[in-house]
Amino acid sequence: AQRVTQPEKLLSVFKGAPVELKCNYSYSGSPELFWYVQYSRQRLQLLLRHISRESIKGFTADLNKGETSFHLKKPFAQEEDSAMYYCALGRGSTLGRLYFGRGTQLTVWP
Amino acid sequence: DAGVIQSPRHEVTEMGQEVTLRCKPISGHDYLFWYRQTMMRGLELLIYFNNNVPIDDSGMPEDRFSAKMPNASFSTLKIQPSEPRDSAVYFCASRLTYNEQFFGPGTRLTVL
Repeated sequence: AQRVTQPEKLLSVFKGAPVELKCNYSYSGSPELFWYVQYSRQRLQLLLRHISRESIKGFTADLNKGETSFHLKKPFAQEEDSAMYYCALGRGSTLGRLYFGRGTQLTVWP
Repeated sequence: DAGVIQSPRHEVTEMGQEVTLRCKPISGHDYLFWYRQTMMRGLELLIYFNNNVPIDDSGMPEDRFSAKMPNASFSTLKIQPSEPRDSAVYFCASRLTYNEQFFGPGTRLTVL
């Protein structure tokens, strides 16, 4: 069965420090991985999709099929990065539903 | 495009009352999803539709919950009767097959 695990419910760093939000998945097929971000009391919005291989707002994420991970990284965190981050897994050629992790609340202190 | 539209944005009701949440997906999208978000359980998928047909409702907590999609531009999530433990933020989202999933602003439901 497919599952997404975000081991850290809360993560705090100071401004300018590197940050890594962990995401591990289980799926026997070829996965599509996503990171969604939710700023305080706002809607969720797509941050990254692994097939795009983009860097958005300084964030990057690399799909590691050997370790079944899709960790989100940023070398220098900013206060405006404080938000809830969700990792999500899609499967198959049409994606169907996405499987979301429990989320990690990132707080960046000044 | 205004994006996914949900109404109401806030709903406060008393236990036992019927609650109806509404969603208008982005025009042309063929998938529609209903999620519930709580501090304890995070983001849970309740049900999703493809081309107006319910595909998976295994996340619907109990028979008190029902969802419909009478046409491609409208969906409802109904709770009858409502209970305090239903208090949460309910999100609707839509997507075009293999593309990005867009979320609505959510409905914050409080059941007293």
